[in-house]
Amino acid sequence: GAGVSQSPSNKVTEKGKDVELRCDPISGHTALYWYRQSLGQGLEFLIYFQGNSAPDKSGLPSDRFSAERTGGSVSTLTIQRTQQEDSAVYLCASSFFATELFFGEGSRLTVL
Amino acid sequence: GENVEQHPSTLSVQEGDSAVIKCTYSDSASNYFPWYKQELGKRPQLIIDIRSNVGEKKDQRIAVTLNKTAKHFSLHITETQPEDSAVYFCAASKDVKAAGNKLTFGGGTRVLVKP
Repeated sequence: GAGVSQSPSNKVTEKGKDVELRCDPISGHTALYWYRQSLGQGLEFLIYFQGNSAPDKSGLPSDRFSAERTGGSVSTLTIQRTQQEDSAVYLCASSFFATELFFGEGSRLTVL
Repeated sequence: GENVEQHPSTLSVQEGDSAVIKCTYSDSASNYFPWYKQELGKRPQLIIDIRSNVGEKKDQRIAVTLNKTAKHFSLHITETQPEDSAVYFCAASKDVKAAGNKLTFGGGTRVLVKP
């Protein structure tokens, strides 16, 4: 597609369940980022992939969070044993190296 | 790593007035400074960017200035309109074509333009 695609757009889950959020970046983009945005708040950096380099995981809030990027393209963010404080919009973005970031529409996660 | 501070966190202006948002960065090697606008319920989108070989860049009612010596850059919006109401994020990165250099965002500024 022409832009960054994220799925699902909305996810409601029960506390303790695992969730997977998917990001399909713009073709040819080398970098992929995941951010978390709580209501009315800023962009909380989670993880950054750049080409074949080791990912920068410095923003992951706990070991319940993990992400992978397969074949340098699609990425999946996994949250295990979800907690209510994980409720937020998870934004994915891609870029050609560290130039303009193109964001997806986000995945809104609600943990009951 | 890079640290970007953004002020103010909220800004209320009267329609027609100017708005100024300021950011400082910590890494003197940073050389790319974009600004993103996020309207309510929408994704952030790039509105303007500047590279360290220029001190100022304008695009209609918005302009960005850069002071590399002081390590700060600013967004200026003139003749504000209600549609300028949004959250604005500044960011910084270095060596744009090198692997391992990521964009670091400031905390955001919520701008409200009152009619």
